[in-house]
Amino acid sequence: GAVVSQHPSRVICKSGTSVKIECRSLDFQATTMFWYRQFPKQSLMLMATSNEGSKATYEQGVEKDKFLINHASLTLSTLTVTSAHPEDSSFYICSADHRQGAGEKLFFGSGTQLSVL
Amino acid sequence: SQQGEEDPQALSIQEGENATMNCSYKTSINNLQWYRQNSGRGLVHLILIRSNEREKHSGRLRVTLDTSKKSSSLLITASRAADTASYFCATGDNQGGKLIFGQGTELSVKP
Repeated sequence: GAVVSQHPSRVICKSGTSVKIECRSLDFQATTMFWYRQFPKQSLMLMATSNEGSKATYEQGVEKDKFLINHASLTLSTLTVTSAHPEDSSFYICSADHRQGAGEKLFFGSGTQLSVL
Repeated sequence: SQQGEEDPQALSIQEGENATMNCSYKTSINNLQWYRQNSGRGLVHLILIRSNEREKHSGRLRVTLDTSKKSSSLLITASRAADTASYFCATGDNQGGKLIFGQGTELSVKP
């Protein structure tokens, strides 16, 4: 089946640094990828829709300059958390639209646990 | 933004019992999906039910959808300790792949 690889799985960084998270579709092309954030014991919150070759669409309340998204190819989307602060500590998950049926089935990465000290 | 509400928030049962989780949503949908998540891990897709379907089965899973009530239920029969996880419903619209997740139900199956 289709596989989405997310890297790194865990990152610990100092406050003020930037962190890049990669999301790759390994055996299919994904024109659209999605980025979610999940706090402990909570649900997944959609942050943004990443479109290949164009600007990402951000959900209300998500800072574009804080969470930079780049979708430069059909198999790779990156999320960069800029000038990270402790409140950005969270579990970040990406998903890719396999285009099997207008996005009926998405494939999720294994997530990235970000801890900002 | 979240549109789904799930109940119960937490459910603890004995192995062999059935587990039922409910999900409600607010807007019109194209499909509704159920996912499972083990602690600190990614999501595993369990089952998808389209808006024109009322019931679907997959192994020990049974999903119902009532679009008039904007609700869905997930039934896990003959539960096992390995079923312990969080379960989320997610609704998809016609705009290609965007999912909105419910709050989730934390299921604990005791051996």
